[in-house]
Amino acid sequence: EAGVAQSPRYKIIEKRQSVAFWCNPISGHATLYWYQQILGQGPKLLIQFQNNGVVDDSQLPKDRFSAERLKGVDSTLKIQPAKLEDSAVYLCASSLGDSSGRFFGPGTRLTVL
Amino acid sequence: QKEVEQDPGPLSVPEGAIVSLNCTYSNSAFQYFMWYRQYSRKGPELLMYTYSSGNKEDGRFTAQVDKSSKYISLFIRDSQPSDSATYLCAMTLNTGGFKTIFGAGTRLFVKA
Repeated sequence: EAGVAQSPRYKIIEKRQSVAFWCNPISGHATLYWYQQILGQGPKLLIQFQNNGVVDDSQLPKDRFSAERLKGVDSTLKIQPAKLEDSAVYLCASSLGDSSGRFFGPGTRLTVL
Repeated sequence: QKEVEQDPGPLSVPEGAIVSLNCTYSNSAFQYFMWYRQYSRKGPELLMYTYSSGNKEDGRFTAQVDKSSKYISLFIRDSQPSDSATYLCAMTLNTGGFKTIFGAGTRLFVKA
């Protein structure tokens, strides 16, 4: 079974630039999550999708972050404009249901200079 | 007070030791409890998933949940250098939708 795929693996940008991350979940997983993990901290949920719909985006900084999941499969997370404090690893995860364990991708390490 | 507390370590043990990793939580509504292992520059990997109080064993790993004390543990027997990683606890409650909170993780080093 293929795992969760993410790209790019690394990204370096300057503040105020924009960036986009892509995620392909495990086939058949209806629930998709984007997490932000700052060094030394646990993952923090940014947004959760159930198929195409948003279930929870309460911690997503909506003035600069946006995400979509077209056709209930792949998803993209965008930051525009980026701030220094956005430097983190962005993890995509998927699960069969929202009470199930998550399967994480390798993450995208973002550095904002 | 954080909802989930986890000692960041680092915890350093010799190969073959029994490792005990712990988390405490404040909300008695948490129902599902998980342990993830995260190697450096990798995503977290689900190790154990438990629902009720008690013990669950999988190979060298045992997850223990004590709901009365709001305390969960992960035991690793016969620890190996390959177990060196960050271990994250996570727990889920149902608030009309399921909400999962992760601990900050404990860094474990197993010395050969």
